Amino acid sequence: AQSVTQPDIHITVSEGASLELRCNYSYGATPYLFWYVQSPGQGLQLLLKYFSGDTLVQGIKGFEAEFKRSQSSFNLRKPSVHWSDAAEYFCAVGGNNAGNMLTFGGGTRLMVKP
Amino acid sequence: DAGVTQSPTHLIKTRGQQVTLRCSPKSGHDTVSWYQQALGQGPQFIFQYYEEEERQRGNFPDRFSGHQFPNYSSELNVNALLLGDSALYLCASKPGQAVGYGYTFGSGTRLTVV
Repeated sequence: AQSVTQPDIHITVSEGASLELRCNYSYGATPYLFWYVQSPGQGLQLLLKYFSGDTLVQGIKGFEAEFKRSQSSFNLRKPSVHWSDAAEYFCAVGGNNAGNMLTFGGGTRLMVKP
Repeated sequence: DAGVTQSPTHLIKTRGQQVTLRCSPKSGHDTVSWYQQALGQGPQFIFQYYEEEERQRGNFPDRFSGHQFPNYSSELNVNALLLGDSALYLCASKPGQAVGYGYTFGSGTRLTVV
């Protein structure tokens, strides 16, 4: 069975500081990996996705993520956080073995200090 | 270009009642999935519709059912509501069946069961 673990439930960073959100996945074949962001009361917005090729993926809003197969990780990074980045972030895994469903982690809530 | 549209945005139902939630996919998208997001948790896959048929189902009881119409819009029906059904229900759409496209999510319907 596939699963996603986001070890950090809450993270607080200062505006302008760098950010790394952790994601570990379990999947029996080549995974399709996604990061979504959710603002309060809103749906999910896709930040970036990884299927194959270059293991460093660039997304929207200045985010990037690195796929590390040996560590089963897909961590999200941003070099300089803005106050508007405060939101909930979800990592998700899918793949051809799982049909079309995505399995999400529990999320990491990011707070940004001025 | 309108994204995924869900209605209603909020509703309150009484335990034991039935509810229908509606979703219009993004233009050009023909595959619709439904997810349940309980407070403080990541979304959980309910089921997916493609070509008016349920193609995949998550671990949800038969009280949860759905439908897809020829124009690709979809409905989620929940019978015999329980307090535990209170959640944000998210509709997501994508073009075709391949998981690699990544889903576009709507803003959700907040269901409260009292």
